Amino acid sequence: SAVISQKPSRDICQRGTSLTIQCQVDSQVTMMFWYRQQPGQSLTLIATANQGSEATYESGFVIDKFPISRPNLTFSTLTVSNMSPEDSSIYLCSVMALSYNEQFFGPGTRLTVL
Amino acid sequence: GNSVTQMEGPVTLSEEAFLTINCTYTATGYPSLFWYVQYPGEGLQLLLKATKADDKGSNKGFEATYRKETTSFHLEKGSVQVSDSAVYFCALSSGNTPLVFGKGTRLSVIA
Repeated sequence: SAVISQKPSRDICQRGTSLTIQCQVDSQVTMMFWYRQQPGQSLTLIATANQGSEATYESGFVIDKFPISRPNLTFSTLTVSNMSPEDSSIYLCSVMALSYNEQFFGPGTRLTVL
Repeated sequence: GNSVTQMEGPVTLSEEAFLTINCTYTATGYPSLFWYVQYPGEGLQLLLKATKADDKGSNKGFEATYRKETTSFHLEKGSVQVSDSAVYFCALSSGNTPLVFGKGTRLSVIA
């Protein structure tokens, strides 16, 4: 299995500011993803983080709002830019290695925007 | 594209009752199917999975069978406990694509 850590675990931010969330995996993985879970809702895929190239965004999500980096096989960041209260959610990092045939999830970052 | 439809909640059951949470899917090819559970205040955990037709996934007394003919993966447990109270998500993945989740079903078990 893969052990994933995220920082910060939670934060309260002011409208108009930005927050960068870090995701660290304990082993090299093939694929890394970022999901959003709005209050009381299911998980929605934001993007696939690609090593050394631009992330692949899902419909409804754009790079200017959610810039993503993945400098190596074990680390990625997601930035939530110019935040508004509608961005209040749990943001989850997820990884998949072909050898596992399974996706693992980090503990999530609970973001509240005032 | 791929999608998952699961039973709307919330579901409230008495302890030792039988549980069924329905899940159907639409997918190209032959997806793998999963049930994830999210306990109050905790992260998402894999509960069980099945990777091909007629496979049965099982864990902690929960079971689900991959039914290709009905495109279903219903979650069942014969006797629920208070500790099973959580939100349950059905999900699928085709090949190396990321998981697509259903909306989730909140289960409350009362003593």
